[in-house]
Amino acid sequence: EVQLVESGGGLVQPGGSLRLSCAASGFTYSSSSMNWVRQAPGKGLEWIAYINSRSSMIDYADSVRGRFSISRDNAKDSLILQMTSLRAEDTALYYCVRDLSYYMDVWGKGTTVIVSS
Amino acid sequence: DIQMTQSPSSVSASVGDRVTITCRASQSISSWLAWYQQKPGKAPKLLIYAASILVSGVPSRFSGSGSGTDFTLTISSLQPEDFGNYFCQQANTFPLTFGGGTNVDI
Repeated sequence: EVQLVESGGGLVQPGGSLRLSCAASGFTYSSSSMNWVRQAPGKGLEWIAYINSRSSMIDYADSVRGRFSISRDNAKDSLILQMTSLRAEDTALYYCVRDLSYYMDVWGKGTTVIVSS
Repeated sequence: DIQMTQSPSSVSASVGDRVTITCRASQSISSWLAWYQQKPGKAPKLLIYAASILVSGVPSRFSGSGSGTDFTLTISSLQPEDFGNYFCQQANTFPLTFGGGTNVDI
């Protein structure tokens, strides 16, 4: 079964940092590009980061560029989102998503990040 | 950035109705468009990509059309399990962007 499982979410103070992880299984992870997409409570979907299979192409939404960093470990079938300088507006459910030519074909269940003092 | 505008924001329909949701891009995206369904408390599910290609396993009552800037998702005969939010997404250019969503209420 194709599966993505996120972890690492939690409550963090403004200005703090958090590291999200995503464990992939059931498919050839090393051949797949990946994304992080977030959804604020009661809001729509926001794409925030993309990484291709070899980590040679990475892109970010302007809202997180310079604060968040996406990376992957193909040997461990894992995806990472390092988040720094967190703001209240970063509060959201964060999804790890497999990429299909810039479409999003497999989604994890998400991990919740709450930025609050 | 390419802005994606969906309409309506909400639709209430009955079982068996034909439902149409539109998505407009702020500039041409050729056929680089996807549709997702999201049910409460669940992750989105890819329904259609490349504007009109149905994902395997998605019921044939769902269809997509359009190119350039104007796109449509049609549910030919609404079923009770079709309630939820529907989002479009452009895959033409980074940053990838989503429409604001359409809530389908049965």
